[in-house]
Amino acid sequence: DAKTTQPNSMESNEEEPVHLPCNHSTISGTDYIHWYRQLPSQGPEYVIHGLTSNVNNRMASLAIAEDRKSSTLILHRATLRDAAVYYCILIRSGYALNFGKGTSLLVTP
Amino acid sequence: KAGVTQTPRYLIKTRGQQVTLSCSPISGHRSVSWYQQTPGQGLQFLFEYFSETQRNKGNFPGRFSGRQFSNSRSEMNVSTLELGDSALYLCASSLYRGRDEQYFGPGTRLTVT
Repeated sequence: DAKTTQPNSMESNEEEPVHLPCNHSTISGTDYIHWYRQLPSQGPEYVIHGLTSNVNNRMASLAIAEDRKSSTLILHRATLRDAAVYYCILIRSGYALNFGKGTSLLVTP
Repeated sequence: KAGVTQTPRYLIKTRGQQVTLSCSPISGHRSVSWYQQTPGQGLQFLFEYFSETQRNKGNFPGRFSGRQFSNSRSEMNVSTLELGDSALYLCASSLYRGRDEQYFGPGTRLTVT
């Protein structure tokens, strides 16, 4: 079954860019790549998603490898409010294949 | 537009009892998914409903069940509660299936004693 692999934790300085990697080497052609983040005591919050092409929105950018076996979430300027657990998940026909443990991002001033 | 709402927010039950959790999706959203979150296992997919039909189910025992009503509201039920069922149960809604972002509710914190 397709799964994602992310580093357990990452650290960044405030106002610097952050690149959060995700490996999904067994992804299928119709699987969407979604990113969510979860702040303490809250439900996950949608960040961005894509299928094949790179995507940008007001929160972040998503860079998808040409073979789709990996992707990178890019926060252009980290703020203290971006400290959260970031989940990279694959969605297939509405089914979230694997949330994993996510990456805990620490942002230091 | 109101977000996803879940009731109750907190619940304490005893082993062997059953529990029903409720989820009201964002207006117009037709897909509802349920997740269980525990410190040890992280976020795990329970099931997904679309147009009142269960479309997908995660790897959970039959004690976990759910349903969706014609107004897209959903309920999940856990029977014969076990201590290991203590968790945060999250509901998420989306406009359609698969390609759209999911919006999560705040969750129901279930404690089984």
